[in-house]
Amino acid sequence: DGGITQSPKYLFRKEGQNVTLSCEQNLNHDAMYWYRQDPGQGLRLIYYSQIVNDFQKGDIAEGYSVSREKKESFPLTVTSAQKNPTAFYLCASSRDSNTGELFFGEGSRLTVL
Amino acid sequence: GNSVTQMEGPVTLSEEAFLTINCTYTATGYPSLFWYVQYPGEGLQLLLKATKADDKGSNKGFEATYRKETTSFHLEKGSVQVSDSAVYFCALRKGQAGTALIFGKGTTLSVSS
Repeated sequence: DGGITQSPKYLFRKEGQNVTLSCEQNLNHDAMYWYRQDPGQGLRLIYYSQIVNDFQKGDIAEGYSVSREKKESFPLTVTSAQKNPTAFYLCASSRDSNTGELFFGEGSRLTVL
Repeated sequence: GNSVTQMEGPVTLSEEAFLTINCTYTATGYPSLFWYVQYPGEGLQLLLKATKADDKGSNKGFEATYRKETTSFHLEKGSVQVSDSAVYFCALRKGQAGTALIFGKGTTLSVSS
C-alpha cells in the first residue's frame, strides 16, 4: 500500500535532549512537509521541501531542523532550542509543490517531561 | 498576509441535521481552497477542493462553493451522520508555485444519534 509512515507514534523526551521524528513516503512524491498541531491553533508549517536536497523554513522553524537526502524521506529533528516542543507533529507529501492535495501520515505525539 | 478563519467549535448536531461550517479567507490573487478532515487518532485527509471562483467542490455528501465576492468557502452537508464526527480544516494555497498550504484552526464536529 502506498502512503506516508511516521514513527514513532508516541515519544517522550527529557528537557535538553534532541529527538528525531521519521517520515517516509512511497508515493514517489516530490514535495514533503512538516506541520505542528496544537489544540485550538490548527496546523502550523515548520519546514517544507519541494525536491531532494532542498528545503525552506515555514512559519515556526525556530528550534527545528530537517534534511532531505532521499526523495522518500524527510526527518524532523526537534532540538533543545525549541522552547515548547510538546505537540502533535504531522508529516505530509504531495505530487509536487504546485498542488494543494496533501497526503498526511498518522502523526507523532511528542511529550517533553 | 494570507490567512484562513473558521467558525469556532465545537459544533454539536443530531444525526440527519443540516451542517454548515463557515470559512473565510484573506489572500492576494486567486488562491485554491480546500477542506480537509481529521478523524480521531488519524492524520488529515483531503475532503474537497475548488481552484477558481464559483467552483463547487463536493465529496461524500459535503459541498463547498468558492465565493470570491465574499471571500468564503463554507462547508455544507444536508444530513450528517455519526461517522462524520471529526475535525474539519479549511485551507488555502496561493497561486504561486512552491507555496505550502495555510490552514485554519479547525472546527470540531460532534454528531449524536
